Amino acid sequence: NAGVTQTPKFRVLKTGQSMTLLCAQDMNHEYMYWYRQDPGMGLRLIHYSVGEGTTAKGEVPDGYNVSRLKKQNFLLGLESAAPSQTSVYFCASSYFQVVAYNEQFFGPGTRLTVL
Amino acid sequence: DAKTTQPPSMDCAEGRAANLPCNHSTISGNEYVYWYRQIHSQGPQYIIHGLKNNETNEMASLIITEDRKSSTLILPHATLRDTAVYYCIVRVRDDKIIFGKGTRLHILP
Repeated sequence: NAGVTQTPKFRVLKTGQSMTLLCAQDMNHEYMYWYRQDPGMGLRLIHYSVGEGTTAKGEVPDGYNVSRLKKQNFLLGLESAAPSQTSVYFCASSYFQVVAYNEQFFGPGTRLTVL
Repeated sequence: DAKTTQPPSMDCAEGRAANLPCNHSTISGNEYVYWYRQIHSQGPQYIIHGLKNNETNEMASLIITEDRKSSTLILPHATLRDTAVYYCIVRVRDDKIIFGKGTRLHILP
């Protein structure tokens, strides 16, 4: 049981390049999330998904797109990378949410630098 | 949306209890309080959550005031491995968790 995995772990892009970050979970979770974390800051929600084929915007969605074609995978895309997108990206997943219980399981992070 | 206020940093001696406060004065009646921590460069880790009763698990205890406007996370016997940023979070919507800046806890040997 690998939990939540993220690919790649590190990446350096030039301004204007595109890339896709892959998040995979083997816990059969319904919900998946993408966060970014800048130095000295808490995590900010980019996009999330409440099930296969669904996506929704979080706090800071601009410049990113996502897709959830399979339940176990959640992809984060940068179509035209900008230096402001230099950050650490965390993926998380959680069980279907009943009234309140919402333990999120996080991946190890992807460190992205845009030059 | 409810928001939380935490001190930016705290120190605690190894072996002592670490008490991390959190204010959430605008919390709604059906919103839970969650605590996560983030050890350097790793993804956040769930610790505990509660509604209005005190809660305890193998990692920590959560004390919520009767008016629910504040809470305290207690690590009963802090070790150096507990050095981390601790986030107090109030669930603001059905399917989102909003992280603030948290409290950076330093465990002193």
